[in-house]
Amino acid sequence: NAGVMQNPRHLVRRRGQEARLRCSPMKGHSHVYWYRQLPEEGLKFMVYLQKENIIDESGMPKERFSAEFPKEGPSILRIQQVVRGDSAAYFCASSPELRANYGYTFGSGTRLTVV
Amino acid sequence: AQKITQTQPGMFVQEKEAVTLDCTYDTSDPSYGLFWYKQPSSGEMIFLIYQGSYDQQNATEGRYSLNFQKARKSANLVISASQLGDSAMYFCAMREVSGGSYIPTFGRGTSLIVHP
Repeated sequence: NAGVMQNPRHLVRRRGQEARLRCSPMKGHSHVYWYRQLPEEGLKFMVYLQKENIIDESGMPKERFSAEFPKEGPSILRIQQVVRGDSAAYFCASSPELRANYGYTFGSGTRLTVV
Repeated sequence: AQKITQTQPGMFVQEKEAVTLDCTYDTSDPSYGLFWYKQPSSGEMIFLIYQGSYDQQNATEGRYSLNFQKARKSANLVISASQLGDSAMYFCAMREVSGGSYIPTFGRGTSLIVHP
């Protein structure tokens, strides 16, 4: 039973390019959460999605960032026209349902470096 | 205001000794969950332990236990018999039930180094 799969593990983009980060939740999990971790900091919530719906995007920057979780396929976090400040580790977590006592399963993260 | 506060940026412990990592939280929601995660140098986030706000007993998972003091709003992680492999960043997180989104908020983390 594979865990949460994120790819790529490492991504290098030049300023102005687009970054696409993929997250395949655990089998049977329909809730996906994206977090960003800046160096020496904790995880900051970005967006919460269910299949085909964005439930909460309160942590997402208003411009250049978007997320989707289509009916088929992985969840995608897209960053357009990347800047140096976007360099961070991006984590995806999934859960099967809304349960307060469920410890999310995290992927191994995508480390984005903008040069 | 910070919802999760981890005041120890770094901790050192001798192998085989116990160590306590501090976590305090702030919420007015009567129903919430508290979590601890471990992040080794390889970068992945590993779920360790969970404590619910209505749980009467402190949670335990192997060498990990959560010292839950509700009135003081603290949820400290205790690692017994430390091992070299315990060296990692440790994050405390809280999930509030009100609002229905169940989105955990994380602290800034504590770096633990276990000495041989």
